[in-house]
Amino acid sequence: DTEVTQTPKHLVMGMTNKKSLKCEQHMGHRAMYWYKQKAKKPPELMFVYSYEKLSINESVPSRFSPECPNSSLLNLHLHALQPEDSALYLCASSPPIYRGAAFFGQGTRLTVV
Amino acid sequence: TQLLEQSPQFLSIQEGENLTVYCNSSSVFSSLQWYRQEPGEGPVLLVTVVTGGEVKKLKRLTFQFGDARKDSSLHITAAQPGDTGLYLCAGGQGAQKLVFGQGTRLTINP
Repeated sequence: DTEVTQTPKHLVMGMTNKKSLKCEQHMGHRAMYWYKQKAKKPPELMFVYSYEKLSINESVPSRFSPECPNSSLLNLHLHALQPEDSALYLCASSPPIYRGAAFFGQGTRLTVV
Repeated sequence: TQLLEQSPQFLSIQEGENLTVYCNSSSVFSSLQWYRQEPGEGPVLLVTVVTGGEVKKLKRLTFQFGDARKDSSLHITAAQPGDTGLYLCAGGQGAQKLVFGQGTRLTINP
């Protein structure tokens, strides 16, 4: 299994909704990431989890709340988002011997209305 | 913050031609990755290079890491329409951070 699986693939939510994005990998990777990608821009790092602990938060607003329940799962809880938060949200993971490579999921296309 | 500059940003060529995409920085990176991304999908890892001067080949794609580990290039030989996509370079910045270039949008015309 060499995949990072993200659900849902598409999500439309109102500004008062609470929703969660999910990510799963079974490659034994111990680092997992959330990236945000706006149209025609490269991915921007949001959070890094290393061995289930939050190691990097790139000054992301608190309306985005990450969670790593175990070494295979990564969630991103969303609450009171703004329309400008609409983007492709990407999950990635990297192997224990870190050489820089990250393996990405197919992304969740989020639209905030 | 270390920056990666990719060039060109857009490239449209005919099938069968060769092309080179460049990724440059004033900073040293511990590793450098090349990804290809289709619209609405996540980036797919093509290669990782970690040693200065390293050259890796993947079928018609040749990747090179500069001797000083500040730059990289992607060369495609005899481009095919299936090579069309967004190509992203990304540098390893330690602490498990990746710095992405702005991307090169490549179109191969039949």
